[in-house]
Amino acid sequence: SQQGEEDPQALSIQEGENATMNCSYKTSINNLQWYRQNSGRGLVHLILIRSNEREKHSGRLRVTLDTSKKSSSLLITASRAADTASYFCATVPSGTYKYIFGTGTRLKVLA
Amino acid sequence: GAGVSQTPSNKVTEKGKYVELRCDPISGHTALYWYRQSLGQGPEFLIYFQGTGAADDSGLPNDRFFAVRPEGSVSTLKIQRTERGDSAVYLCASSLTKGTPSGNTIYFGEGSWLTVV
Repeated sequence: SQQGEEDPQALSIQEGENATMNCSYKTSINNLQWYRQNSGRGLVHLILIRSNEREKHSGRLRVTLDTSKKSSSLLITASRAADTASYFCATVPSGTYKYIFGTGTRLKVLA
Repeated sequence: GAGVSQTPSNKVTEKGKYVELRCDPISGHTALYWYRQSLGQGPEFLIYFQGTGAADDSGLPNDRFFAVRPEGSVSTLKIQRTERGDSAVYLCASSLTKGTPSGNTIYFGEGSWLTVV
């Protein structure tokens, strides 16, 4: 079973706009990671945030983590058509070593 | 190798047949994962190896699925008596060490697309 869910399931925006997607999870975690997937094949790691961190930045990406609400958000600023992909959050539940993925947000950036 | 390599990239097989999917992790990575992903869904955990041993196989759906990693490097996912419901992309990933509270990035291969007809 999957750990959590991304919201929204699908998002369509214009190039240059910001895209925000959210992830909720169910159990306590060691860390949370965001991945990107093009065309249903391999996933590419974007950013990792540890359970004791609240916010992290990497280029145009900003990730927040609220462990009290068991939720995270991924913000992509100044989106580009090349950002079109599916985005997944993955958590490592405490006491395990397995990465559990959410259901994903399909982002479409229109040129 | 430079990245995680999976073969075959595509496999079409008849219902009831036996299938093997191979994963060659990044050199030196001790942790190896297998996931299954159906269309429109997130990757679903199947099994995790630390070295040669299966540390967590709680995601294997039934006893038709089995995975090995005899020398702690290449892994093979084996599916017996395939069913149409087994059709999915099977993803392999590896990481340098097992997950710790500080976290490790896992690197994915491009996947093996299995179609059972």
